[in-house]
Amino acid sequence: DIQMTQSPSSLSASVGDRVTITCRASQSISSYLNWYQQKPGIAPRLLIYAASSLQSGVPSRFSGSGSGTDFTLTISSLQPEDFATYYCQQSYSTPQTFGQGTKVEIK
Amino acid sequence: QVQLVQSGAEVKKPGASVKVSCKASGYTFTNYGISWVRQAPGQGLEWMGWISTYNGNTKYAQKLQGRVTMTTDTSTSTAYMELRSLRSDDTAVYYCAVIAAAGPFDHWGQGTLVTVSS
Repeated sequence: DIQMTQSPSSLSASVGDRVTITCRASQSISSYLNWYQQKPGIAPRLLIYAASSLQSGVPSRFSGSGSGTDFTLTISSLQPEDFATYYCQQSYSTPQTFGQGTKVEIK
Repeated sequence: QVQLVQSGAEVKKPGASVKVSCKASGYTFTNYGISWVRQAPGQGLEWMGWISTYNGNTKYAQKLQGRVTMTTDTSTSTAYMELRSLRSDDTAVYYCAVIAAAGPFDHWGQGTLVTVSS
């Protein structure tokens, strides 16, 4: 199975900050990497697919990069509605494992 | 619009079984497989398995092999997930989803809370 390791597991940031979350795969997954945002009690929302493609309707302050084993989600200027938990997920092979999540909290 | 509508919350005793349904609408059901993902209280997302809505092929997480069965009914565009021999650590919200595989088509059900308690 491919293991997905996210870091950090949590972070505190202020509105307007630039935030970076990393995700590492235990083997190459090419660009088969999704990023999700989840708020309490709500299903995950796709932000980025294929490592760097912005899902329709997602603000352009979100961006993704990377390929192979190392990936990054960046929020260029954190907004109040961005406080949530973020997950990476590989769709390269089954089981389609998720990272453990990164909780972004208000500083 | 695309919708995945799941069945309602369940409370089960240890050892029992649960079957969650997921009715799809707004797209051609057999064009995309259905994944099942669960989330225990306060925990992360756990991929449980996937079923091809085209031919019924399945792939399950190894830890659930033997206890989980995923099926579909193409006549009603509905997917089902049955979990047997329930334990307290199966208490979770269960989601059905069409998960993006390098494309933008990604949709999730609203989730079904399954509580296992004596």
